[in-house]
Amino acid sequence: DVQMTQSPSTLSASVGDRVTITCRASESISRWLAWYQQKPGKAPNLLIYKASNLESGVPSRFSGSGSETEFTLTISSLQPDDFATYYCQQYNTYPTFGQGTKLEIK
Amino acid sequence: ELQLLVSGGTLVQPGGSLRLSCAASGFPFSNSAMTWVRRAPGKALEWVSTISGSGDNTYYTDSVKGRFTISRDNSKNTLYLQLNSLRAEDAAIYYCGKGGSGSYWYFDYWGQGTLVTVSS
Repeated sequence: DVQMTQSPSTLSASVGDRVTITCRASESISRWLAWYQQKPGKAPNLLIYKASNLESGVPSRFSGSGSETEFTLTISSLQPDDFATYYCQQYNTYPTFGQGTKLEIK
Repeated sequence: ELQLLVSGGTLVQPGGSLRLSCAASGFPFSNSAMTWVRRAPGKALEWVSTISGSGDNTYYTDSVKGRFTISRDNSKNTLYLQLNSLRAEDAAIYYCGKGGSGSYWYFDYWGQGTLVTVSS
């Protein structure tokens, strides 16, 4: 299985901050990576697919980049609604997910 | 409006069986691969199983092969997951997900999840 490692596990930030979450794959996955946001008690919500493609309806402050084994999700200016847990997922092989990054209010 | 309504989760004894359902609406169901993903307490999301739009092709993670069966009824716009020989480690919230554009393997819409508890 392709192991996905996210960092940090927890991130404290303030409204208006620019934040970056990193996801590393244990082997090359080309650009077959998705990012999701999940809030407590809710289903995950797709943000980014194929590493950098913004899903329809997702605010443009979210962006993704990277290829092969290293990827990032960036939120350019944090909004109150963005405090949640974020997961990366590779789909170069059968899907595997990162362990999640909890974005907290500082 | 696209909707995935998941049901069927409950408390079941080890070795028991359960069927989960995911009722879909708001999109051409038979054109979409569908997937089950679970999250056990304190653990990461885990892909469980995927089925093609026609139902002809199915895929499973190794830990559930031979115990779980994914299926779909396109006439009822419903996805199923039959869980047999349940183990404590199968306890999780189970989500269904719709395959993204042109792909089986990322998920552009998810149902709200249903809780499966395995305990005696």
